[in-house]
Amino acid sequence: SQELEQSPQSLIVQEGKNLTINCTSSKTLYGLYWYKQKYGEGLIFLMMLQKGGEEKSHEKITAKLDEKKQQSSLHITASQPSHAGIYLCGADPRDYGGATNKLIFGTGTLLAVQP
Amino acid sequence: DVKVTQSSRYLVKRTGEKVFLECVQDMDHENMFWYRQDPGLGLRLIYFSYDVKMKEKGDIPEGYSVSREKKERFSLILESASTNQTSMYLCASSLQGRWTDTQYFGPGTRLTVL
Repeated sequence: SQELEQSPQSLIVQEGKNLTINCTSSKTLYGLYWYKQKYGEGLIFLMMLQKGGEEKSHEKITAKLDEKKQQSSLHITASQPSHAGIYLCGADPRDYGGATNKLIFGTGTLLAVQP
Repeated sequence: DVKVTQSSRYLVKRTGEKVFLECVQDMDHENMFWYRQDPGLGLRLIYFSYDVKMKEKGDIPEGYSVSREKKERFSLILESASTNQTSMYLCASSLQGRWTDTQYFGPGTRLTVL
């Protein structure tokens, strides 16, 4: 079965610094999703990537999907305390023959931003 | 904006009790999902539903059942709660079942079973 590995597991950065979080799959990804979660709360949708080589940006967050569609990165520029939280990648494995959009998730990256 | 709400943010129950967790979405989405989230294990799919009265098991359905009598509402039922069901429960919905259909999540219910 497909698994998503995220790295690093946790990250502490100084405010204003850039950072990158990675999400790697053993199989081709269909619909790679990035979510953010504040501690104890639900997931907030950030971005979805579907094509190899695709890149999307929202405010200071940029996500990329590699050409082989097996790895995605999330880059935050000039981090702020508001960026703190858990970042999760999710993907539809499409390996079960089903007709719906099941997602599997990485275990998350905990980001702390020090003022 | 899509809004997914869950009936409780925090819930404390005793072993053996029957527990109902409710989820409501207001965007006429066809698909709804229940996940649980545990440290080190991430999010795992319990059940999902692609239409009223239709349901499919996810990866960890044991000890749970679901009900979807109306399109906007998806309930997760713990028939006899056990301590190993202490977890964060997250509901999600999506427009349809295409892999391009984003899943939108509710705020979560943190359930403690004593």
